[in-house]
Amino acid sequence: SAVISQKPSRDICQRGTSLTIQCQVDSQVTMMFWYRQQPGQSLTLIATANQGSEATYESGFVIDKFPISRPNLTFSTLTVSNMSPEDSSIYLCSVDRGAQETQYFGPGTRLLVL
Amino acid sequence: AQKITQTQPGMFVQEKEAVTLDCTYDTSDQSYGLFWYKQPSSGEMIFLIYQGSYDEQNATEGRYSLNFQKARKSANLVISASQLGDSAMYFCAMRPAVSGTYKYIFGTGTRLKVLA
Repeated sequence: SAVISQKPSRDICQRGTSLTIQCQVDSQVTMMFWYRQQPGQSLTLIATANQGSEATYESGFVIDKFPISRPNLTFSTLTVSNMSPEDSSIYLCSVDRGAQETQYFGPGTRLLVL
Repeated sequence: AQKITQTQPGMFVQEKEAVTLDCTYDTSDQSYGLFWYKQPSSGEMIFLIYQGSYDEQNATEGRYSLNFQKARKSANLVISASQLGDSAMYFCAMRPAVSGTYKYIFGTGTRLKVLA
């Protein structure tokens, strides 16, 4: 398995502001993943963060709205920019681990935008 | 197109009984992995069990087992001896086992409530 921590665990923000979410892994990994889970919905992949290169964004997600940093092999940040109430979600980071490349998830960040 | 279908939005089970959560998938790939995750109200995603498409035996992990029927493209999760702590959302997911492919496809989830 993997030990993954995220900060903050939850936050309440005003519309128009930005929030940066941190993800720390217990050992070096090549790829880190960021997901969004809107209320009552399943998980949607936002982007994949590789160390030393630009993040790869999925359809419907853009760098200006969700800038990602990956300064080293154990850490990544996701920023939710210019927030609106529609950004209220759980944001989760994950990493692959093991022979089956199982994805292990952090505890998530609950974001409420007013 | 690849897809995961979970047709049970909600399920109830009496404590200590077994329950089956349904999952069907659609893929044209020959090689893939199937996963189940548990999401309590706290929001974290907890990995439960894995089944490879070429595995001949059904996967088991403690009280969790996976009823894998490849020809029917189903991968149902069986939880035996349900406990109150099993109350959560359960997600089925698929990943093509192609080198360099990392994208998981998640189902819409089943909310399980265990009754005392």
